[in-house]
Amino acid sequence: GQQVMQIPQYQHVQEGEDFTTYCNSSTTLSNIQWYKQRPGGHPVFLIQLVKSGEVKKQKRLTFQFGEAKKNSSLHITATQTTDVGTYFCAGPTSGSRLTFGEGTQLTVNP
Amino acid sequence: DAGVIQSPRHEVTEMGQEVTLRCKPISGHDYLFWYRQTMMRGLELLIYFNNNVPIDDSGMPEDRFSAKMPNASFSTLKIQPSEPRDSAVYFCASSTDATTGELFFGEGSRLTVL
Repeated sequence: GQQVMQIPQYQHVQEGEDFTTYCNSSTTLSNIQWYKQRPGGHPVFLIQLVKSGEVKKQKRLTFQFGEAKKNSSLHITATQTTDVGTYFCAGPTSGSRLTFGEGTQLTVNP
Repeated sequence: DAGVIQSPRHEVTEMGQEVTLRCKPISGHDYLFWYRQTMMRGLELLIYFNNNVPIDDSGMPEDRFSAKMPNASFSTLKIQPSEPRDSAVYFCASSTDATTGELFFGEGSRLTVL
């Protein structure tokens, strides 16, 4: 069936280094969403991308949606300890189900 | 608005017992979702409702799981009988759309079945 896959599963960085997580779908997505979940917390919406090739920025976070609308990425510049958490992408699959990727767990060493 | 409210926050029970998880969505949100999160399987959609009607329950594991939404401000997820493999964090979320609206998650109910 349709899947949303995310890599890497884990990423450890030193504070100040950059971080990127990638999301891939086996089919074209109408939109993609990104969420952040802090340790022990619940997923919190970050952004939604809709257009082919779309790029959106939120301070140090840059989100991209691929031209074919099958992949997306989240890039964090100069990570901080407050960036720690798991980042999930989510896209509509099987018509009307929002399916989450496996998530990328980011740890930042101060 | 207080956001999505879930109860209980933590539940420890013994295998075979009935478990009921509760959720109050954000007022005005027509969609309510139940997700389960485990280390092995990540965030799985169990079921979602639109205007109190179940739309997609294909993620419900088996007959031991049932969900209801008797009105726009309340939903329950019931497990009967519970098994150790049901141990997980269960999240309720609400939204204005099934796939293009921002999901607002509750803080989750952490279930441990001994």
